[in-house]
Amino acid sequence: GAVVSQHPSRVICKSGTSVKIECRSLDFQATTMFWYRQFPKQSLMLMATSNEGSKATYEQGVEKDKFLINHASLTLSTLTVTSAHPEDSSFYICSARAPDRAPFYNSPLHFGNGTRLTVT
Amino acid sequence: AQSVTQLDSHVSVSEGTPVLLRCNYSSSYSPSLFWYVQHPNKGLQLLLKYTSAATLVKGINGFEAEFKKSETSFHLTKPSAHMSDAAEYFCVVSERTNAGKSTFGDGTTLTVKP
Repeated sequence: GAVVSQHPSRVICKSGTSVKIECRSLDFQATTMFWYRQFPKQSLMLMATSNEGSKATYEQGVEKDKFLINHASLTLSTLTVTSAHPEDSSFYICSARAPDRAPFYNSPLHFGNGTRLTVT
Repeated sequence: AQSVTQLDSHVSVSEGTPVLLRCNYSSSYSPSLFWYVQHPNKGLQLLLKYTSAATLVKGINGFEAEFKKSETSFHLTKPSAHMSDAAEYFCVVSERTNAGKSTFGDGTTLTVKP
């Protein structure tokens, strides 16, 4: 089945530094990937839609200069949290749809295992 | 516009008893609906999906869900709970567009008592 790999699973960084999170589709090509943020005991909040070869589409209220997304190939999207602050501490998850014969919106999302970011 | 409401934030059952997790949706078009499960500090795993074929959908681990258009519901059920079913469950609706943006419910925490 389709596998999405996310790395690292945990990262601790100091305030003011930047952190990069990678999301890879291992056995399929993904022209679109999605980045979410999840607070404890809460649902997933869509941050942005990552589009291969073009700019990401950010949700309202998400700072594009703060959360830099690069989708340079059909199997890799990266999220960089720039100048991280303690309030950026959260669980970040990526997902992608594996192409099949079904319409795009009928294909399930495949999720990475998430990245726990702690900013000290 | 589309939305999803999971009617219970917490559900607690005893091992071996039935599970019912409720989900209501709102969509301008015939929806694509999904149930996902999330174990602590993990990503989400697909349990099952409805995409306008059979209204009763069977998924993994003995779960199933029934799409009821008249009630705008897509409740998740399992005849007999197992300890390993304890997790967070999300009902999701997807837009029928090329982007296929997904809207997540707030989640239901399932606790299974021995």
